Order: sequence, then C-alpha cells, then structure tokens
Amino acid sequence: AQSVAQPEDQVNVAEGNPLTVKCTYSVSGNPYLFWYVQYPNRGLQFLLKYITGDNLVKGSYGFEAEFNKSQTSFHLKKPSALVSDSALYFCAVRRNAGNNRKLIWGLGTSLAVNP
Amino acid sequence: NAGVTQTPKFQVLKTGQSMTLQCAQDMNHNSMYWYRQDPGMGLRLIYYSASEGTTDKGEVPNGYNVSRLNKREFSLRLESAAPSQTSVYFCASSENRRGGLMNTGELFFGEGSRLTVL
Repeated sequence: AQSVAQPEDQVNVAEGNPLTVKCTYSVSGNPYLFWYVQYPNRGLQFLLKYITGDNLVKGSYGFEAEFNKSQTSFHLKKPSALVSDSALYFCAVRRNAGNNRKLIWGLGTSLAVNP
Repeated sequence: NAGVTQTPKFQVLKTGQSMTLQCAQDMNHNSMYWYRQDPGMGLRLIYYSASEGTTDKGEVPNGYNVSRLNKREFSLRLESAAPSQTSVYFCASSENRRGGLMNTGELFFGEGSRLTVL
C-alpha cells in the first residue's frame, strides 16, 4: 500500500541553524513528491515538488528537498531557519503511472523556530 | 487575484441540519478538490472534479455531495450533518493538462472552513 511517513510530530530549531523535516514514502514505481506548508489558521501553500530530473529540488522561501530513491526519502531542508518558518509542514506523494494515483498526505510536522 | 475563496469561514450546525460550503477560484483552473483536515489524520480527499462537468469520489465521500457549478465554482453539501463531520474543510484547485488524480501540478488551497456539528 502507498504511504507517507513524517516520523517527527515536532521539530525545534534555533533561528539561524539549519533545519530538516523528514519524509519517507512507500509507493510502487516512481513517485511524484511534494512539500506544502500551513501557517496557523491558513490553507496549505505549495513549497516544492519532485517530478523527475535533478534529485535536489529548490522551492519557495529558501527551502529545498532531496529525493533519495534508495532510501525512499524526500527530506525538506533549509540552511538557515527563520522564526517566520514556524508552521506545519506536509509531505505528499503519489504514483506517476498505473492505477491508484491519488495523492497521499503525511500527517504533518510542526516546525518551531526559536529566536 | 483572490485565488481560492471559501465561504463561510466558520459554521456551527446542529445534528441533522444541512449546509453548503461554497468554493470559487479565479485562476481558470480545470480541477478542483474538497479535503477535510482532522487532527492526527492529515488531509483526506472527499470529492474532486477533474474538469467542468465531472465529479468523482475521493477517500471519504459518505455524507457529502458536490456540485461543479461551472469552471470557477465547486460546492460541498452536507445533507444531514453529523458530529463526525466536525472538521476543517479545504477547497483546492489546480491547473494541469491531466487533471484530477493525474495532476502533477501544485494545488492552490483556500483558507479553510471550520465546521462544528453539535
């Protein structure tokens, strides 16, 4: 079965430090992978996606993510965290071929960046 | 651009009442979606519309109906609300040549509608 795991419910980092929000997936075949961010009482906003090509994907607000096929991971990273990055982050995945291509969402990771 | 607009933002219903959540997008997108977000359960797809004139069930369609009124508007109706439908509802849209579940493009979300069923 297809699944997405965000193993950490919460991540705490100090402002200026690098941050990583983890995502691993299980899907047959090649995946499409996405990261979204949700600020309090707001809708989700797209950050970046991996469809094909370069494994390192750059997105909005200085975020990037690396697709690692062997580890089935798509971790979100940022070299220097800002307090304004504090939000809920969702990873999502779906198959790129065959049946059952629905988007599968992770449960979210709450990122807190401390001043 | 307003993007995706949802109304109402908040609603309290009694069990058995009906209501319609409205959603409109001004980005000329083909596909539209309704999700619900519940603590510990992430986002779950209720219904989607790959293109104007079509609608399909998602993961949790029971107790809901939808109408794709035109390309801009996609409404979600609760015919007889139940406490289990207490949730935050999000409408989303996307533009993609292969819409609906074939979509590889980004989803644009509304701000959400918080529904409480007593």
